[in-house]
Amino acid sequence: QVQLKQSGPEVKKPGASVRVSCKASGYTFGTNDISWVRQAPGQGPEWMGRISPNSGATTLRHKLQGRVIMTTTTSTTTAYMELRSLTVDDTAIYYCARESTLNCFDAWGQGTLVTVSA
Amino acid sequence: QSALTQPASVSGSPGQSITIACTGTSSDIGRYNLVSWYQQHPAKAPKLMLYDVSSRPSGVSIRFSGSKSGNTASLTISALQIEDEADYYCSSYSTVNTIFFGGGTKLSVL
Repeated sequence: QVQLKQSGPEVKKPGASVRVSCKASGYTFGTNDISWVRQAPGQGPEWMGRISPNSGATTLRHKLQGRVIMTTTTSTTTAYMELRSLTVDDTAIYYCARESTLNCFDAWGQGTLVTVSA
Repeated sequence: QSALTQPASVSGSPGQSITIACTGTSSDIGRYNLVSWYQQHPAKAPKLMLYDVSSRPSGVSIRFSGSKSGNTASLTISALQIEDEADYYCSSYSTVNTIFFGGGTKLSVL
């Protein structure tokens, strides 16, 4: 079955960077885009952007452009999301999700809690 | 552009039906039939319940249905069950090549 397994929780100081990984299994990795979605405490999800695993092409949410980098390593079927210049407002659970068709996230990782605190 | 608008909470009794509305704009819900709904239980990842307004993924109960009129999409859950108690989020594709989510609706099954 389709599985997305993410890396563990992170605690960072303001101004630092964080990198979250997402290992996919159970399907052909290059077939579907991977999106990253974050959810701050008590808030609704926020879509951050997507990456096409084979080409590496990305579509990023406008407000995060310049701070977020999405990459993939096809040989290990792993997607990565790096967020730079962290602020306390970036504290959230970060999810990777398989986008089977546009705006259809049919499989999700378990989530990675990123805490930004001085 | 801001998130889609949902009621903060709805409630119903077992066996009843409820509907959750999700209001967007002519740039997202009103323009595309690319609305999805997700169910999220506490401390769990979201689960896809509907996509393309009213399509159900394999394994999702037929008690879950969706519709759209103008800039508003709706999720209806019929024959409510205790396990339906969760947070529900809508999402839509938009003209700025971005996906927006709603703020979420807490469903209580009393």
